Amino acid sequence: GAVVSQHPSRVICKSGTSVKIECRSLDFQATTMFWYRQFPKQSLMLMATSNEGSKATYEQGVEKDKFLINHASLTLSTLTVTSAHPEDSSFYICSAGGGARGYTFGSGTRLTVV
Amino acid sequence: DAKTTQPNSMESNEEEPVHLPCNHSTISGTDYIHWYRQLPSQGPEYVIHGLTSNVNNRMASLAIAEDRKSSTLILHRATLRDAAVYYCILLIYNQGGKLIFGQGTELSVKP
Repeated sequence: GAVVSQHPSRVICKSGTSVKIECRSLDFQATTMFWYRQFPKQSLMLMATSNEGSKATYEQGVEKDKFLINHASLTLSTLTVTSAHPEDSSFYICSAGGGARGYTFGSGTRLTVV
Repeated sequence: DAKTTQPNSMESNEEEPVHLPCNHSTISGTDYIHWYRQLPSQGPEYVIHGLTSNVNNRMASLAIAEDRKSSTLILHRATLRDAAVYYCILLIYNQGGKLIFGQGTELSVKP
């Protein structure tokens, strides 16, 4: 079945630094990937749509300069949280796929900014 | 905005069927109904989806009302591993395939 690998699973970084999260589709090509953020006890919030070879589309209220998305190949999208602050601490999840098998989600990245 | 309404929580007994309801009164003819579930500290997992007809797979069944304004996810025999948050989501045809999550139903399963 479709597999989406997300790395790292956990990361702790200092305030002011940047963190990159990778999302890979392992056994299929993904021209579109989606990035979500989830705070404790809350639902997933869609941040942006990552488009292979073109600019990402951000949801309203999401700062594109803070959350940089690059989708340089058909199997890899990256989310970089720039100048991270404690309020950026969250669970970040990517997804890809669709069609008959539905969407496949990565296992998530727990970001803690100290 | 999420376009589905689900109960916040439900309880079930192990090995009994579970019926998880979802209302989506604003659904349009081309919107698919998707169900996902999420265990704590994990990414969501695809469960099932459908358009008009009822659907069955190895995980669950999806019963869609004739007017498509509601649907029910059916777990035929709940196990402890089915305890999760279940999300009913409309895949809107002209919104680029985005899944917009609502609050979902937290299902607890008692042994």
